Amino acid sequence: QQQVKQSPQSLIVQKGGISIINCAYENTAFDYFPWYQQFPGKGPALLIAIRPDVSEKKEGRFTISFNKSAKQFSLHIMDSQPGDSATYFCAARPGSARQLTFGSGTQLTVLP
Amino acid sequence: NAGVTQTPKFRILKIGQSMTLQCAQDMNHNYMYWYRQDPGMGLKLIYYSVGAGITDKGEVPNGYNVSRSTTEDFPLRLELAAPSQTSVYFCASGTGGAGELFFGEGSRLTVL
Repeated sequence: QQQVKQSPQSLIVQKGGISIINCAYENTAFDYFPWYQQFPGKGPALLIAIRPDVSEKKEGRFTISFNKSAKQFSLHIMDSQPGDSATYFCAARPGSARQLTFGSGTQLTVLP
Repeated sequence: NAGVTQTPKFRILKIGQSMTLQCAQDMNHNYMYWYRQDPGMGLKLIYYSVGAGITDKGEVPNGYNVSRSTTEDFPLRLELAAPSQTSVYFCASGTGGAGELFFGEGSRLTVL
């Protein structure tokens, strides 16, 4: 019940296209859903996060869409750029917990 | 502005050897975490700490030990290294709650 399932495992997108990464969860106690971005040789870094009281959050070209009833959330990267090539992790945390549960990661490659 | 510093960055161990991965943060964060990252498996929590003198097990604690004698430092000890402990280890810190996690750049460990 603590799992966060992430798909796809890898994604290749042309420059200018839309990248979409999906995550699903079972634990209805999760109340915080961040996305982390990791470049090769670096640690993950927070990209954007959402709480379940809103259905969408946008920061520049990055948007989180949240569907509480379906227990799913997704990351959309508009106008994808080669510099967006990285591994993306979704994560979730129940209100009572002190740690995040991470998805398995998606390796995004944006072709020039 | 160092953030989270991990040492060493790379290490090769023989089966049965022991070692300590060092982690230090200069942001005065109470919460610190150790994760391991394996290909296609995401980030798995090994141990975490909510303050000096307090530690708790994560999802995959077997074969590891931690201590937290100061707010700044959170070393991870590997006893009797096994090939299954070949991984990239990340230390992270944060303020707790829904706060952002700040990751180090990782320590790549190979056990032969």
